[in-house]
Amino acid sequence: DAGVTQSPTHLIKTRGQQVTLRCSPKSGHDTVSWYQQALGQGPQFIFQYYEEEERQRGNFPDRFSGHQFPNYSSELNVNALLLGDSALYLCASSHPFRSPSTDTQYFGPGTRLTVL
Amino acid sequence: AQSVAQPEDQVNVAEGNPLTVKCTYSVSGNPYLFWYVQYPNRGLQFLLKYITGDNLVKGSYGFEAEFNKSQTSFHLKKPSALVSDSALYFCAVRGYNDMRFGAGTRLTVKP
Repeated sequence: DAGVTQSPTHLIKTRGQQVTLRCSPKSGHDTVSWYQQALGQGPQFIFQYYEEEERQRGNFPDRFSGHQFPNYSSELNVNALLLGDSALYLCASSHPFRSPSTDTQYFGPGTRLTVL
Repeated sequence: AQSVAQPEDQVNVAEGNPLTVKCTYSVSGNPYLFWYVQYPNRGLQFLLKYITGDNLVKGSYGFEAEFNKSQTSFHLKKPSALVSDSALYFCAVRGYNDMRFGAGTRLTVKP
């Protein structure tokens, strides 16, 4: 049973560029959430996708956008990169609409983004 | 608003000794609490969760956590620490769709 997978593993970009990160959820899961983990901090919620729609969004600017495909995989796009966007980006999958508050989110290994 | 706090940045323990990693929570309504572990350059691995019922929750790798409503705490414990338990531990509380994490506690187990 494949867990959550993310690509690429590492990425180096320069300020002002755009980046796309990819995530495939755990088998049987239909919901994908994205988190940003800055160095030395806990993960911060960016947004969640279910049925190809953004269901909830954290306190992140519109430069952060996403997409979910019919096969439940997801992309995170970040435009106009800033130095402060350097972080580990984590994808988590779940099946919450059986039980929204109690379902467990399973995380992928993350994509390390470095903005120079 | 749902939130958790991890009061200790670092916990050091000798191998074979019991370990405790502390977490306190602040929620409106019922708390849904989780513990995750993160190894270097890795994502978060789920350890255990408290939803309802027994205050002592058993999880993966011999870890357990004790839910204490009066003290609003959800401390992670293990009776006998292993060097391989050395990692970063995160407590989290479930919001509606999101997870809200503490800042993390770095556990170091020395041989």
